[in-house]
Amino acid sequence: AQTVTQSQPEMSVQEAETVTLSCTYDTSESDYYLFWYKQPPSRQMILVIRQEAYKQQNATENRFSVNFQKAAKSFSLKISDSQLGDAAMYFCAYRSANTGNQFYFGTGTSLTVIP
Amino acid sequence: DTAVSQTPKYLVTQMGNDKSIKCEQNLGHDTMYWYKQDSKKFLKIMFSYNNKELIINETVPNRFSPKSPDKAHLNLHINSLELGDSAVYFCASSQGLRGVGRGTQYFGPGTRLLVL
Repeated sequence: AQTVTQSQPEMSVQEAETVTLSCTYDTSESDYYLFWYKQPPSRQMILVIRQEAYKQQNATENRFSVNFQKAAKSFSLKISDSQLGDAAMYFCAYRSANTGNQFYFGTGTSLTVIP
Repeated sequence: DTAVSQTPKYLVTQMGNDKSIKCEQNLGHDTMYWYKQDSKKFLKIMFSYNNKELIINETVPNRFSPKSPDKAHLNLHINSLELGDSAVYFCASSQGLRGVGRGTQYFGPGTRLLVL
């Protein structure tokens, strides 16, 4: 089974600064999807950004961007101009593009934003 | 318009009781999931249905039984509740691997279950 690793259980960032959350994954497949989900204190799981492995261009969504390194199997999330509302748990997830319907989640990174 | 909805949002009950959580999605997706999130925030897949067929059935006590009356609904019934069942349960749905937004999973708001 694929594994997704988030090696930073906790991170903090000063408001308005930039922070990068790390994610690595293990797979033998060449075509897949990667996601970042945000879970604020409300517990709602919110999709932040998705990346298709066959696309070389890194996905961006406003202040959120990814650094997708396919060869290194790395998928980090960069949050620019951090805001208080960005404080949350962030989960990285993987899904095969060819087989199965299962999503594999990392253990999460808790992000604190310091005013 | 709520995409994935769950009821109830909160559930407080005594040990030994039986309870159900309902989930509905109006996204037209063909696959639905149940996850359990424990106090450490770890997300664990429990079940998944594709077009009413059980496709993922992880190692979960058989006190937990999913039911999918149609592809827009996936309910979770829990018998003989135990203290360790206290968690947040998330329903999610996704569409197949082709088309707009393909492959993305959308979550319900979660049901916080507390067993006393």
